[in-house]
Amino acid sequence: DTGVSQNPRHKITKRGQNVTFRCDPISEHNRLYWYRQTLGQGPEFLTYFQNEAQLEKSRLLSDRFSAERPKGSFSTLEIQRTEQGDSAMYLCASTRDNQPQHFGDGTRLSIL
Amino acid sequence: AQSVTQLDSQVPVFEEAPVELRCNYSSSVSVYLFWYVQYPNQGLQLLLKYLSGSTLVESINGFEAEFNKSQTSFHLRKPSVHISDTAEYFCAVRLNTGFQKLVFGTGTRLLVSP
Repeated sequence: DTGVSQNPRHKITKRGQNVTFRCDPISEHNRLYWYRQTLGQGPEFLTYFQNEAQLEKSRLLSDRFSAERPKGSFSTLEIQRTEQGDSAMYLCASTRDNQPQHFGDGTRLSIL
Repeated sequence: AQSVTQLDSQVPVFEEAPVELRCNYSSSVSVYLFWYVQYPNQGLQLLLKYLSGSTLVESINGFEAEFNKSQTSFHLRKPSVHISDTAEYFCAVRLNTGFQKLVFGTGTRLLVSP
């Protein structure tokens, strides 16, 4: 069990640029979640994958956000035309069956 | 929809003193309850969970929480805290069916001083 891995750990970019984050879940975990955490707040749900199918998206996920999970393994979260309000910690979690979710260390995004 | 309220944004306490972090939830259906801990610049680590059975659940590092259905609470307690317990603590709920997304409270920062 190597844990949930997220890359990069930190990303600094200029407003208007596109960014992509990667999440490698624990192997054999078929459920994968993305959350966003802003300063002083708890994580908020963004989207959910079961295997390769994206089954739920939060209203927080504007059309500038897209997520994929090809072949049901790793997942990517892309933000196009970044805005100041996108600055946050992006967390990935995975699980299987009815078990608790395991979180990665997150990607901290800073928009200049 | 489910919601979680953590009434205290920050709890200062001296080392070896007892502590209670409060959590209340709202849900029209049965939920599972969790406490996660977050250290600076890290992700969330599961501290303990209530799925069913005994309403008192314990972690390996001395924390415990009690599920109280009538008061819709899941308060976290530790009889004697250490400096290393300084962290952010999040209470969360999750349905036991469907997509099982977690709904978190706003967190409580536990500050343990010598």
